[in-house]
Amino acid sequence: KAGVTQTPRYLIKTRGQQVTLSCSPISGHRSVSWYQQTPGQGLQFLFEYFSETQRNKGNFPGRFSGRQFSNSRSEMNVSTLELGDSALYLCASSLAFYGYTFGSGTRLTVV
Amino acid sequence: ELKVEQNPLFLSMQEEKNYTIYCNYSTTSDRLYWYRQDPGKSLESLFVLLSNGAVKQEGRLMASLDTKARLSTLHITAAVHDLSATYFCGETSGSRLTFGEGTQLTVNP
Repeated sequence: KAGVTQTPRYLIKTRGQQVTLSCSPISGHRSVSWYQQTPGQGLQFLFEYFSETQRNKGNFPGRFSGRQFSNSRSEMNVSTLELGDSALYLCASSLAFYGYTFGSGTRLTVV
Repeated sequence: ELKVEQNPLFLSMQEEKNYTIYCNYSTTSDRLYWYRQDPGKSLESLFVLLSNGAVKQEGRLMASLDTKARLSTLHITAAVHDLSATYFCGETSGSRLTFGEGTQLTVNP
């Protein structure tokens, strides 16, 4: 069966711009969570959505936001990009906490 | 706040040797996850440990969970070069998965 699909794979943006990343979970999975990975901070939890509701949120500024649609697809948005937002953004889908399957990630570079 | 600590953070091994990666976690969660990440790639699920005393094995890797000690171990038996990667453990609190810093494993011939 199809895995978790993230688009785009790579993105280059300029400081001050905004960006939207997309994640399509495994069919039947209603939970989607987002993580930021950087060499300095490691893997950090951004937020998690279940049935279009944000259930949990990490310690990130309000510039980071997300949403989930009725088909469980999720998007995350980062506004007013900063150089420090350059990272690998990973999305994971899960079924009742019995494991998290990660997508290939979106590598965002802010210049 | 959840805190997951792995050690060692860097591990250089010779092929055919055995070693253990340790993962200490902070909550009373009884779910512990192990992932592998190759350079530039995403996270690949290795094990999900769901209860105290759980032990799972896949090839040369074996993971165990001791919820009383809040400790999970990933044991590598007779390492081979293909196991070179970064290994992460993680625990959940509700729907939030918190990862350790990762252990960068290098297996040398």
